[in-house]
Amino acid sequence: ETGVTQTPRHLVMGMTNKKSLKCEQHLGHNAMYWYKQSAKKPLELMFVYNFKEQTENNSVPSRFSPECPNSSHLFLHLHTLQPEDSALYLCASSQEGGTNEKLFFGSGTQLSVL
Amino acid sequence: AQTVTQSQPEMSVQEAETVTLSCTYDTSENNYYLFWYKQPPSRQMILVIRQEAYKQQNATENRFSVNFQKAAKSFSLKISDSQLGDTAMYFCAFRSGSRLTFGEGTQLTVNP
Repeated sequence: ETGVTQTPRHLVMGMTNKKSLKCEQHLGHNAMYWYKQSAKKPLELMFVYNFKEQTENNSVPSRFSPECPNSSHLFLHLHTLQPEDSALYLCASSQEGGTNEKLFFGSGTQLSVL
Repeated sequence: AQTVTQSQPEMSVQEAETVTLSCTYDTSENNYYLFWYKQPPSRQMILVIRQEAYKQQNATENRFSVNFQKAAKSFSLKISDSQLGDTAMYFCAFRSGSRLTFGEGTQLTVNP
């Protein structure tokens, strides 16, 4: 266990559904991230939060809406997704203050959009 | 923009043998960090080893070591005495600032 917990592990949703992915870190870190991992593509950074403030939005469509209520929790709200959004969504956390801090990852949510 | 390239989509090695995974990157930065992450079937990304660009000495972590060639922008991972548990997807990653950029990954299979 890395101290980063993601729920649910698997999610199947229709294009008209609204769902949320949850991430919780128990490491006392001050930064949290959402990554998208599609087959045969590099991991794509979606969002970065530092001390609950969004510091990076990597041109992500508005059908993905992140929320960071505190430094330990991160959500990704999903609505009107497309089949091409099917992927593994990984959450990570780190202690920011330099650039060599390693990221701790969760096990991801495998999302299938029908 | 930084890019990370892993030219070997798949590799295999016999148990107890040595294997090297290649990684090249492109950047105009001078200070940065390089990482190798492992993703087993459990899907959890696990840090294997990291290298600071300002250090000339290659990082070593037990059976894992890197060959860091800064001028060539090359960062290969050597796994010695391969074990069945090393079977996983391996990702090379580059970090400058808050952004961590990953390569496409190399699927390594260790055969008994």
